[in-house]
Amino acid sequence: LAKTTQPISMDSYEGQEVNITCSHNNIATNDYITWYQQFPSQGPRFIIQGYKTKVTNEVASLFIPADRKSSTLSLPRVSLSDTAVYYCLVGDERYSSASKIIFGSGTRLSIRP
Amino acid sequence: DTGVSQNPRHKITKRGQNVTFRCDPISEHNRLYWYRQTLGQGPEFLTYFQNEAQLEKSRLLSDRFSAERPKGSFSTLEIQRTEQGDSAMYLCASSLDGSVLNEPQHFGDGTRLSIL
Repeated sequence: LAKTTQPISMDSYEGQEVNITCSHNNIATNDYITWYQQFPSQGPRFIIQGYKTKVTNEVASLFIPADRKSSTLSLPRVSLSDTAVYYCLVGDERYSSASKIIFGSGTRLSIRP
Repeated sequence: DTGVSQNPRHKITKRGQNVTFRCDPISEHNRLYWYRQTLGQGPEFLTYFQNEAQLEKSRLLSDRFSAERPKGSFSTLEIQRTEQGDSAMYLCASSLDGSVLNEPQHFGDGTRLSIL
């Protein structure tokens, strides 16, 4: 079953581009990669999802190399409001069990002025 | 877009009391999930419904916990004989049909339970 590893915390400054990398060495053929963002006292919010290469939306980009053993969430020109915890999830289509949804501890991103 | 609504937002109760939380999902979503989140950790799956059917329960869901979704719309999560260890944020999420693991979920802002 695919597991993910991501940094516990990261710091950056306003206006910078932030890249958070998630490792998933055992990713299976049918796995998708999904990122959520969570602010204090709020529920997680879906940011982006991808399977391969690059996905971009109005919030972020997701880069997935050819071997798919890692993925990188890219946040362009961050602001103070991007301070949050970011979770990387890998879903295995082979398993229909919701118990396999594992958020882990996430990456705590702190943006400074 | 009304989003997922959870009530109450905060609940403080004494150990041994029963508590009930309510979740109203996004109206067109057939799936509804309950999670528990403790400080510094990500959400942990508890149970989920497909319409009114409770399809799966986590081993974290002891027999003191029960969840219902009687008409396939709103859901309730009840904890009986609360214990100190039940103090946590209880999150509800809903989604469209599709892969349970890959379909993006829409979360409410949770109910924070504090056991005195």
